[in-house]
Amino acid sequence: GQQVMQIPQYQHVQEGEDFTTYCNSSTTLSNIQWYKQRPGGHPVFLIQLVKSGEVKKQKRLTFQFGEAKKNSSLHITATQTTDVGTYFCQLYSGAGSYQLTFGKGTKLSVIP
Amino acid sequence: DAGITQSPRHKVTETGTPVTLRCHQTENHRYMYWYRQDPGHGLRLIHYSYGVKDTDKGEVSDGYSVSRSKTEDFLLTLESATSSQTSVYFCAISDSGGAFSTEAFFGQGTRLTVV
Repeated sequence: GQQVMQIPQYQHVQEGEDFTTYCNSSTTLSNIQWYKQRPGGHPVFLIQLVKSGEVKKQKRLTFQFGEAKKNSSLHITATQTTDVGTYFCQLYSGAGSYQLTFGKGTKLSVIP
Repeated sequence: DAGITQSPRHKVTETGTPVTLRCHQTENHRYMYWYRQDPGHGLRLIHYSYGVKDTDKGEVSDGYSVSRSKTEDFLLTLESATSSQTSVYFCAISDSGGAFSTEAFFGQGTRLTVV
């Protein structure tokens, strides 16, 4: 089945520093989704990437889909305390099923 | 937020008892999912449904069963609760699935403690 690795597992940054999390797949993806989960909350959809090499921006967040569609990244510029939470990638697990597979997530802590 | 409600939100139960968690949606989405979330493991899929009475197993289905008798409700049953099933359970819904999946909407979660 689909193997997905998300790194790093944890990241502590000083407020104002940049942050990047990576999601790597063992197979070519049709698309990838990113979610954010605040402490004590539930995952909330951020964005979907579909095209090879696609780059999308949401204010200070930049999402990129690799050229080979096997990896993706989420970059936050100048982190703020409101960025605290866990960021998950989600992808189709393949093999003709309807499963949605999530990476284990990157937990971001921002030190004010 | 999408119309998705989980009940109960919190539950403490004893080992060996059956427990049923309910997920109710008002979005008429075809796909519904149950995940459990534990520290260090992220979101792990328990079971999912791709239509009324159409369900399938996820990666951690042992000890769990599901039922979907109508579009809006997806029930998760722990047949005989064990301490290893202490977790936070999330229901999610989506109107597309498989290779063309788009966004999923999550419920608020149910915190289950088995003592």
